[in-house]
Amino acid sequence: DAGVTQSPTHLIKTRGQHVTLRCSPISGHKSVSWYQQVLGQGPQFIFQYYEKEERGRGNFPDRFSARQFPNYSSELNVNALLLGDSALYLCASSARGETQYFGPGTRLLVL
Amino acid sequence: AQSVTQLDSQVPVFEEAPVELRCNYSSSVSVYLFWYVQYPNQGLQLLLKYLSGSTLVKGINGFEAEFNKSQTSFHLRKPSVHISDTAEYFCAAFATGGTSYGKLTFGQGTILTVHP
Repeated sequence: DAGVTQSPTHLIKTRGQHVTLRCSPISGHKSVSWYQQVLGQGPQFIFQYYEKEERGRGNFPDRFSARQFPNYSSELNVNALLLGDSALYLCASSARGETQYFGPGTRLLVL
Repeated sequence: AQSVTQLDSQVPVFEEAPVELRCNYSSSVSVYLFWYVQYPNQGLQLLLKYLSGSTLVKGINGFEAEFNKSQTSFHLRKPSVHISDTAEYFCAAFATGGTSYGKLTFGQGTILTVHP
């Protein structure tokens, strides 16, 4: 079975730009969560979606937004990029929410 | 609110020696507990999980962990490590209720380095 897939794998943007990251969950999983992992730290929760509804939101500014589509794939959008947004962005899928399986991540560099 | 503390940022060990990576958690509601492993430039791989039942849980690659409710700990152990176990390990807690429901809270990570 295919695992969680994310695209793109790497991305370079400049300050002030906008970025869209994409995630496809494991087949049959209806929940997708997004995390930000800054170098040297553990992942920080950004959003969780279940059945296309936002079920949880972490302590991130409104520049971060997400949505889940009818096929349960998801997008994470970040507006007005700052240097501090440089990180590995991880998507995780789960059947009901608690046991989360992670994708390989998208590494974002903001210059 | 919940928090996870990994007590060692780095653990060096020789090949075939036993290892223990320590994790303590704090939460106002019941939690599920997880250990993940991250190899360089990769995502997180689930090693094992505690949801309920037996407090000793076994995972992949010979790892096991013991849930201790009174000490709010979930330490990860392996009786004999291999070079290939060199990686960063993360302990995480999932709140089963309250305002934090749906959120996995991670510790800061422990870098395990296995020397030949």
